[in-house]
Amino acid sequence: AQSVTQPDIHITVSEGASLELRCNYSYGATPYLFWYVQSPGQGLQLLLKYFSGDTLVQGIKGFEAEFKRSQSSFNLRKPSVHWSDAAEYFCAAVRNTDKLIFGTGTRLQVFP
Amino acid sequence: SQTIHQWPATLVQPVGSPLSLECTVEGTSNPNLYWYRQAAGRGLQLLFYSVGIGQISSEVPQNLSASRPQDRQFILSSKKLLLSDSGFYLCAWSVRGNYGYTFGSGTRLTVV
Repeated sequence: AQSVTQPDIHITVSEGASLELRCNYSYGATPYLFWYVQSPGQGLQLLLKYFSGDTLVQGIKGFEAEFKRSQSSFNLRKPSVHWSDAAEYFCAAVRNTDKLIFGTGTRLQVFP
Repeated sequence: SQTIHQWPATLVQPVGSPLSLECTVEGTSNPNLYWYRQAAGRGLQLLFYSVGIGQISSEVPQNLSASRPQDRQFILSSKKLLLSDSGFYLCAWSVRGNYGYTFGSGTRLTVV
């Protein structure tokens, strides 16, 4: 079955530290991949997406993600985290159908 | 411009009461429509998916139903709410084959 896994439920970092959020997918073929952010009580905002081409994708708010086919991964990174980055982050994938499947999310907490 | 409206923003309902959440899309025709639920610790789960009027695909067995009476209207319903129906419900739309998803602002449902 198609699935998206985010192994880290909760991550805590200090402001200014680097960040990496993990995402793995299980699909028969490489899906289209997305990262979304959800601030408390809000809807979802798209950070970035990967369809094909360059495996390092730049997104909004200083985020980037790297697609690694050999590891079935699409990890999200940011070199220096700001307190305003505290939120829940979702990795998602779609392939063949239009049904976007999400991982369980990673809650990011940022300490000053 | 294309927008998505979802209401109400918050709802508190007693167990056994009916439910109706509405989602409407503006500025596009024949969109794919989706209902997702976000429950604590379970990420975003796709509940229903619709590719056209009267065409509903249920993704998980549950106490809820969905209807699409008009092209840009998607309704989530229940005849009798359960405590386990509590959660954050998100409506979304996309253009078929485009893989660009737009999410509503969500409804926080608490069943008491």
